[in-house]
Amino acid sequence: NAGVTQTPKFRILKIGQSMTLQCTQDMNHNYMYWYRQDPGMGLKLIYYSVGAGITDKGEVPNGYNVSRSTTEDFPLRLELAAPSQTSVYFCASSPGETGELFFGEGSRLTVL
Amino acid sequence: GQNIDQPTEMTATEGAIVQINCTYQTSGFNGLFWYQQHAGEAPTFLSYNVLDGLEEKGRFSSFLSRSKGYSYLLLKELQMKDSASYLCASMDSNYQLIWGAGTKLIIKP
Repeated sequence: NAGVTQTPKFRILKIGQSMTLQCTQDMNHNYMYWYRQDPGMGLKLIYYSVGAGITDKGEVPNGYNVSRSTTEDFPLRLELAAPSQTSVYFCASSPGETGELFFGEGSRLTVL
Repeated sequence: GQNIDQPTEMTATEGAIVQINCTYQTSGFNGLFWYQQHAGEAPTFLSYNVLDGLEEKGRFSSFLSRSKGYSYLLLKELQMKDSASYLCASMDSNYQLIWGAGTKLIIKP
């Protein structure tokens, strides 16, 4: 059981470039989340999904897009990267609205 | 607005007891959660309270007072491996977690 797997772990982007952060889970969880974590700030919800084919905006969705074509995968797309998107991104999953989230190891993204 | 407050940093001694406080104000309430996050790693779930009172789990306990919008995490018999950030999160009426910025706990020998 790998749990939640995120790739890549580190990435440096130039302003205006695009990229996709991959997230996959093997626990058959319906709920999946993307958060960003900035120094001195709480985790901020970017997007979430309650099941395949369903996605919803979180608190800070601007500049990001997601899709959920399968239960396992929940990729996060950054279009036209900006320095404000420099952060650590965490993907997480949960079996339901339990609040017990299982996190991936994180992806550290720097936009220069 | 929604707000979670917890101290930025605390220091304690190995073998001692430390209490990390958290106050919350969210739109609705469906539980209070504590997570542990070691530096450079992902958060991991520690505890959950939805009713008033103390929940004990080994060396860690968590307390909730809904009327006061207050929780604390109590760590006993501190070990060096307990050096980490401790994140408090409240689940709001939409079942979304609202996170505090975390309390960095430094353990000294």
